[in-house]
Amino acid sequence: GQNIDQPTEMTATEGAIVQINCTYQTSGFNGLFWYQQHAGEAPTFLSYNVLDGLEEKGRFSSFLSRSKGYSYLLLKELQMKDSASYLCAVQSSNDYKLSFGAGTTVTVRA
Amino acid sequence: DVKVTQSSRYLVKRTGEKVFLECVQDMDHENMFWYRQDPGLGLRLIYFSYDVKMKEKGDIPEGYSVSREKKERFSLILESASTNQTSMYLCASREGHTGELFFGEGSRLTVL
Repeated sequence: GQNIDQPTEMTATEGAIVQINCTYQTSGFNGLFWYQQHAGEAPTFLSYNVLDGLEEKGRFSSFLSRSKGYSYLLLKELQMKDSASYLCAVQSSNDYKLSFGAGTTVTVRA
Repeated sequence: DVKVTQSSRYLVKRTGEKVFLECVQDMDHENMFWYRQDPGLGLRLIYFSYDVKMKEKGDIPEGYSVSREKKERFSLILESASTNQTSMYLCASREGHTGELFFGEGSRLTVL
């Protein structure tokens, strides 16, 4: 099974940088996903890491270390619209199920 | 664009009622999933299906069943709704065994 931990809440100022950490324990690893979910809306895909290292996509970057069971999502140049919940999800190599952490609510303040 | 459509955004049912939640995707995806989302618990997998007529239990299948008679449709059934099944239900689809999930808008179920 999967055990996925991420902080419950984070607050940051507009224009700043925020790093959301995710640690996981899994019996078989087949990739890590980050999703964004605005209040009352469906989660939407942000990033996917299956190999160690940093993946950059505009203002958002995601990092993975498989040996440490660790990932982070980096949000740069924060905007008010980035206020949302960010979900870390790990895919199992055994059955391809995707298991989610409880999510991190990011609040961006002016 | 992939579209995953859930039949009802909001439902209110009474304890003991049978509840059907329908999900349809329009991109010929093989894999479909049902999650429930509760505050502090995140998304938890109820059932999933990797092909027509096929279904597998997720992490919390108790009190639920599913049906996948056609590739594009995956239904979640609550045989006898209970108050602890009050939740947001999210359907998702995926093209193959890897890749991103595409989610529907969610169905918020309240059981009184």
